[in-house]
Amino acid sequence: DVKVTQSSRYLVKRTGEKVFLECVQDMDHENMFWYRQDPGLGLRLIYFSYDVKMKEKGDIPEGYSVSREKKERFSLILESASTNQTSMYLCASSLPPGWVQYFGPGTRLTVT
Amino acid sequence: ELKVEQNPLFLSMQEGKNYTIYCNYSTTSDRLYWYRQDPGKSLESLFVLLSNGAVKQEGRLMASLDTKARLSTLHITAAVHDLSATYFCAVDQGGSEKLVFGKGTKLTVNP
Repeated sequence: DVKVTQSSRYLVKRTGEKVFLECVQDMDHENMFWYRQDPGLGLRLIYFSYDVKMKEKGDIPEGYSVSREKKERFSLILESASTNQTSMYLCASSLPPGWVQYFGPGTRLTVT
Repeated sequence: ELKVEQNPLFLSMQEGKNYTIYCNYSTTSDRLYWYRQDPGKSLESLFVLLSNGAVKQEGRLMASLDTKARLSTLHITAAVHDLSATYFCAVDQGGSEKLVFGKGTKLTVNP
């Protein structure tokens, strides 16, 4: 079974803090994704990585950056957390081309 | 810009009844996905539809794809309480690895 794990289920941070969300997958997938999920808005893609050190912006990259130094690990970085980044963050991985994305359990981030 | 619309967004139905969730998308796409999300949980893949006329079934759920109409349906047969969840469709952006998700349909099946 594909396993995608995220470093925290719940996280509370203060405005202005630098926040790291980590995602690890164990199936040697090339593609990894970061989404945020908000009520009434569904899932929106923040960033996508198709290989180590390769990344593409998604639909809402502002205020976020990513890092992929190893194939199995994809990190989402909030450089200076703001209250409007309070959300559920979901990581996913997949094999190209266009195979099913497997999702992690999510991290619920609250920025106060 | 690809847009994906699901309807209805909320669906309350009785056990034993049939219903259909619709997923419309705005531009040509190669692949359509259906996911399920239980409250407080992550997304679980249900179906991948790859070609016009594709139909897939699992238990009481059946998904179909009409690429000419840019429409997919998720049909629920004889609903049971365990099907209560939020269902999302997602469409790839013109052969890209990136997906655009619909807003989801929250299904509640009442005894």
